[in-house]
Amino acid sequence: EAAVTQSPRNKVAVTGGKVTLSCNQTNNHNNMYWYRQDTGHGLRLIHYSYGAGSTEKGDIPDGYKASRPSQENFSLILELATPSQTSVYFCASGAAGTGGGNYAEQFFGPGTRLTVL
Amino acid sequence: QQKVQQSPESLSVPEGGMASLNCTSSDRNFQYFWWYRQHSGEGPKALMSIFSDGDKKEGRFTAHLNKASLHVSLHIRDSQPSDSALYFCAASEVAGTGSNRLTFGKGTKFSLIP
Repeated sequence: EAAVTQSPRNKVAVTGGKVTLSCNQTNNHNNMYWYRQDTGHGLRLIHYSYGAGSTEKGDIPDGYKASRPSQENFSLILELATPSQTSVYFCASGAAGTGGGNYAEQFFGPGTRLTVL
Repeated sequence: QQKVQQSPESLSVPEGGMASLNCTSSDRNFQYFWWYRQHSGEGPKALMSIFSDGDKKEGRFTAHLNKASLHVSLHIRDSQPSDSALYFCAASEVAGTGSNRLTFGKGTKFSLIP
């Protein structure tokens, strides 16, 4: 069954430490996205990718890096984690193609709850 | 300024009742709209999309879009316990770069009155 999976599901990190969140998709989608969800802010786009080797900045990229080593995998990296990065992080995949519309449907993973102490 | 604004922040109706959720965009580049639903502890899932003026019905859910005012609404009839969730409105651009980025509103928390 096509799916988006994330690991770990829960993570506790220390301030200043490095954190890597991983995402894998079997939808064979070109596009992948990382969001964070915070109460009162909805879902905000951090980074996205058009395909293997590509990463693009979203709306709130500061403090985050991304890596897309393959079609299936997309990682979010916090080099120096801070308490303000405590949040729930979602990965999503979507089809390529221009013109918005149906191509814009995104399929989300179950999320990773990150706590930075 | 938030480009996609949702109201109300929260909404409660009795089981079997009707609910209306609202969404407005302030960006004329946003012409395609989606409603996503997120149950507690899960990731968001697309509920329905609407790209043309007028109504679109899928089961107990009806979306309405007015492109002139960039206002979209979601109406839920015969509300069921499974409808209790966080509902997001999301918008995408007409002529994108191929990224098919979505801009989400802050969400409406919908619950049933026991």
